[in-house]
Amino acid sequence: KQEVTQIPAALSVPEGENLVLNCSFTDSAIYNLQWFRQDPGKGLTSLLLIQSSQREQTSGRLNASLDKSSGRSTLYIAASQPGDSATYLCAALSGTYKYIFGTGTRLKVLA
Amino acid sequence: SQTIHQWPATLVQPVGSPLSLECTVEGTSNPNLYWYRQAAGRGLQLLFYSVGIGQISSEVPQNLSASRPQDRQFILSSKKLLLSDSGFYLCAWSAGQRETQYFGPGTRLLVL
Repeated sequence: KQEVTQIPAALSVPEGENLVLNCSFTDSAIYNLQWFRQDPGKGLTSLLLIQSSQREQTSGRLNASLDKSSGRSTLYIAASQPGDSATYLCAALSGTYKYIFGTGTRLKVLA
Repeated sequence: SQTIHQWPATLVQPVGSPLSLECTVEGTSNPNLYWYRQAAGRGLQLLFYSVGIGQISSEVPQNLSASRPQDRQFILSSKKLLLSDSGFYLCAWSAGQRETQYFGPGTRLLVL
């Protein structure tokens, strides 16, 4: 049974800092892994999707990596801004249609 | 471009009352559709998914049901709500099985 864990649960950093969010999964047989952003009381916004054959994906200041063998993915945010404050969720697709979500990392970037 | 709508945005219902939440997708055809629930302090839980009209798969046994009467419409229902049904309900769509999932704005349900 796939389990997805995100550590830390919460993180506060000063503006401008580079930071890494971690996601680990127990079953390495995944089809892809997706990172999302969720603002309070809102739906999820897709940030990056990494296929199982890929090692990383980049979008602007965001870079996501995937290491299936170790069961880990990281989301790197460069030069963080207060507008990056949100909860970041990762989700692993290891079944037919079923994404297993982590409980998220709540990020606060201080101005 | 594709958009996904959910309504209502917020709902307060008494225990034992019925429920109907609606989700519609625009700008695409034959999407895969999903219903998730996000309870406070917990991750998202997949409730139902659908690959086509009238095709519904349930992930979790519960007093909820889902229907897909039209290609781009997905409805979550209950005949009698329980306190434990409270939560944030999210609808999502994807173009295919392993494609990016796009989420709607969600419905916050409070059962009293």
